[in-house]
Amino acid sequence: GENVEQHPSTLSVQEGDSAVIKCTYSDSASNYFPWYKQELGKGPQLIIDIRSNVGEKKDQRIAVTLNKTAKHFSLHITETQPEDSAVYFCAASQSGSQGNLIFGKGTKLSVKP
Amino acid sequence: DTAVSQTPKYLVTQMGNDKSIKCEQNLGHDTMYWYKQDSKKFLKIMFSYNNKELIINETVPNRFSPKSPDKAHLNLHINSLELGDSAVYFCASSQRGQTDIQYFGAGTRLSVL
Repeated sequence: GENVEQHPSTLSVQEGDSAVIKCTYSDSASNYFPWYKQELGKGPQLIIDIRSNVGEKKDQRIAVTLNKTAKHFSLHITETQPEDSAVYFCAASQSGSQGNLIFGKGTKLSVKP
Repeated sequence: DTAVSQTPKYLVTQMGNDKSIKCEQNLGHDTMYWYKQDSKKFLKIMFSYNNKELIINETVPNRFSPKSPDKAHLNLHINSLELGDSAVYFCASSQRGQTDIQYFGAGTRLSVL
């Protein structure tokens, strides 16, 4: 089955710096890769996703890149702000199949003012 | 309006008791899920229902029994609660065949004493 590794487990940056979180997956059949943000006391919320037919996707300060050959995908947050502080999860699945989202173990991002 | 709502938000109970957590979604989705998040924040799928039918049943003790009276509701009943059941349980929903995006509820924090 699918296995998703996520690094680092904790990340501390200064406000305005960039943050990068990396994930690897094991199942070459996976083709859908979402990123979720979980704030304290709340459920995970989708912030961006990418499918295997594209290599990069951007949404304002957030971007995700995918390298299918290496089975790597990464989340990039630029110009970080204190409100970006949260736990971020990557996940992988086979789009539209009976399969489920397999999550990484999460990265706790702290943005210091 | 809350898209995916769970009740209760907090549940404190004694070992050996039976308890239920309710979930409702008003997004018109046909698929609902239960996830367990342990103390290390690891998110793992427990069950998935599509149009009231069970499609994913991960290795979960049979003390856990999901029930879907209709496609907008997926309840989780837990018998004979154990200390190890203490966790945050999240309900989620999605529309298979259109998008893989899963929308999560705010979670139910279960504490077994």
